[in-house]
Amino acid sequence: GAVVSQHPSRVICKSGTSVKIECRSLDFQATTMFWYRQFPKKSLMLMATSNEGSKATYEQGVEKDKFLINHASLTLSTLTVTSAHPEDSSFYICSAGTSGSFYNEQFFGPGTRLTVL
Amino acid sequence: DAKTTQPPSMDCAEGRAANLPCNHSTISGNEYVYWYRQIHSQGPQYIIHGLKNNETNEMASLIITEDRKSSTLILPHATLRDTAVYYCIVRVAGGADGLTFGKGTHLIIQP
Repeated sequence: GAVVSQHPSRVICKSGTSVKIECRSLDFQATTMFWYRQFPKKSLMLMATSNEGSKATYEQGVEKDKFLINHASLTLSTLTVTSAHPEDSSFYICSAGTSGSFYNEQFFGPGTRLTVL
Repeated sequence: DAKTTQPPSMDCAEGRAANLPCNHSTISGNEYVYWYRQIHSQGPQYIIHGLKNNETNEMASLIITEDRKSSTLILPHATLRDTAVYYCIVRVAGGADGLTFGKGTHLIIQP
């Protein structure tokens, strides 16, 4: 399957700072990328959908001004958690979809563990 | 997307076949059944998908009932590395929406 990477894999930051997480599709062009977060012992929850060159679409309850998403190219999307607080501590996972496949399978990155002190 | 129901947990002995059930009684005619798994602290991994015919790949087999209201994922020879949470998801093929994950089944392979 296609490979999706995330960077960093783990980050610890102080409350009030901003953190940027990168998601890259390594061997295919991703017209759509998705951002999920997962709290301990919970399922993944979709946060937003980003399409290359356009504004992201956020799920209900997700603050667009707090979670800034940029999808500047077909291989890179970034999620910036602004003014992070301890309740933002979570496992953030991206996935990338390819419109070239009829099934539009999604391939997931390895995740980024964010801890806000 | 249709809702799915899975048992919260299952045990299976190493080397035996693991059979994971999923109910999706409200599935629509154009919705496929997808299976993903998530090993602890990793991103989900695609396993297999199907519409109405049984499917097999190098990882698993997918058996879908004739009425399509339920399916079973089969790992033919489970290993310790197959311990993970398995998610059954139904969705329209080619859909541009993100995936809706339920609670999944925590499969524990016992040595």
